[in-house]
Amino acid sequence: GAVVSQHPSWVICKSGTSVKIECRSLDFQATTMFWYRQFPKQSLMLMATSNEGSKATYEQGVEKDKFLINHASLTLSTLTVTSAHPEDSSFYICSASGPTRVEQFFGPGTRLTVL
Amino acid sequence: AQRVTQPEKLLSVFKGAPVELKCNYSYSGSPELFWYVQYSRQRLQLLLRHISRESIKGFTADLNKGETSFHLKKPFAQEEDSAMYYCALSSGGSNYKLTFGKGTLLTVNP
Repeated sequence: GAVVSQHPSWVICKSGTSVKIECRSLDFQATTMFWYRQFPKQSLMLMATSNEGSKATYEQGVEKDKFLINHASLTLSTLTVTSAHPEDSSFYICSASGPTRVEQFFGPGTRLTVL
Repeated sequence: AQRVTQPEKLLSVFKGAPVELKCNYSYSGSPELFWYVQYSRQRLQLLLRHISRESIKGFTADLNKGETSFHLKKPFAQEEDSAMYYCALSSGGSNYKLTFGKGTLLTVNP
């Protein structure tokens, strides 16, 4: 099946710094990539949708200047959490879908802890 | 707005017992419904989708448009079925965004 990787798997940073998370589709071209946030014992909340080569579409309530998303190629999308604060600590998950768009393949997630 | 409701946070059954995980949705159009599963320390993965009408690992789910439900069922639960189960809805369109329910943690006891 299709594989999606994320890097890093976990990161700890100081408040005020920026953190970049990478999402890669390893064996297929990802037409669309999605970024989710998951709080402990809660469901996944969609943050944004990105299509290769175009600007990401953010969900209501998600600050686009804080969560910068770049989808520069068909196999790579990045999420940068700018000026991170402790409340940004969470589990960030990406997913990718191919040309049929129906099925999303999920990455393993990245645990971000902001001190 | 579309919404997915999974009324049970936790569900515990004994091995060999039938299991049903409930999912109700709210959507004005024609939805596509999915069940995703997340085993301990693993990533989220697709279990089944209503359009394929297939049975995966003994699980089935039928879309009931009248009751706006998509309950997941298995006649005989196994210990390896213990996991977090998420019901999800896609409104289609150009990106197939998914709206997830809050999930049900299924524990199958020996």
